[in-house]
Amino acid sequence: DVQMTQSPSNLAASPGESVSINCKASKSISKYLAWYQQKPGKANKLLIYSGSTLQSGTPSRFSGSGSGTDFTLTIRNLEPEDFGLYYCQQHNEYPPTFGAGTKLELK
Amino acid sequence: EIQLQESGPGLVKPSQSLSLTCSVTGYTITSGYDWSWIRKFPGNKMEWMGYISYSGSTNYNPSLKSRISITRDTSKNQFFLQLNSVTTEDTATYYCARSTVVTDYWGQGVMVTVSS
Repeated sequence: DVQMTQSPSNLAASPGESVSINCKASKSISKYLAWYQQKPGKANKLLIYSGSTLQSGTPSRFSGSGSGTDFTLTIRNLEPEDFGLYYCQQHNEYPPTFGAGTKLELK
Repeated sequence: EIQLQESGPGLVKPSQSLSLTCSVTGYTITSGYDWSWIRKFPGNKMEWMGYISYSGSTNYNPSLKSRISITRDTSKNQFFLQLNSVTTEDTATYYCARSTVVTDYWGQGVMVTVSS
């Protein structure tokens, strides 16, 4: 299975700031990396797939970059609703595998 | 609007089987997509468990292959998870979801504890 290493585990920021979350695959996954947001009491939300393609409804302050083994999720101009748990997931091969998650907290 | 809702026992004894139901509204499960089960362990690790496709074929995580079964009832627009011979390591929040290779709709999850 492809191992996904996500960093940092925790991140504290203030509204209006920009943050980046990184994800590294144990082997090349081409561009096939997705990002999800998870918040208590809400269904998980697909934000980005294929590395940089925004899912319908994802605000433009979210962006994804990378290919091969190294990927980054950037959130610019943080809004209060952006705080939560973020996961990366490779979708290049079965079984899909996830990073360990990054908890984005309000500073 | 597509909605998925998990249901089932919140407590299962070790060595028994875990059985969950996912009820889907707003989309017919035979129209397309794969219908997946994904779980999140305490400590936040996520694991894709497997899916049943719109045509009825299945694909399971090899780590679970001997214990897992995903089936469906198309008349009720539901699909099911059965996980046999559970241990405390199977304690997790279980999500049903609509997928291709990425998952665009998720249920809210149901917490299942394996304990005697």
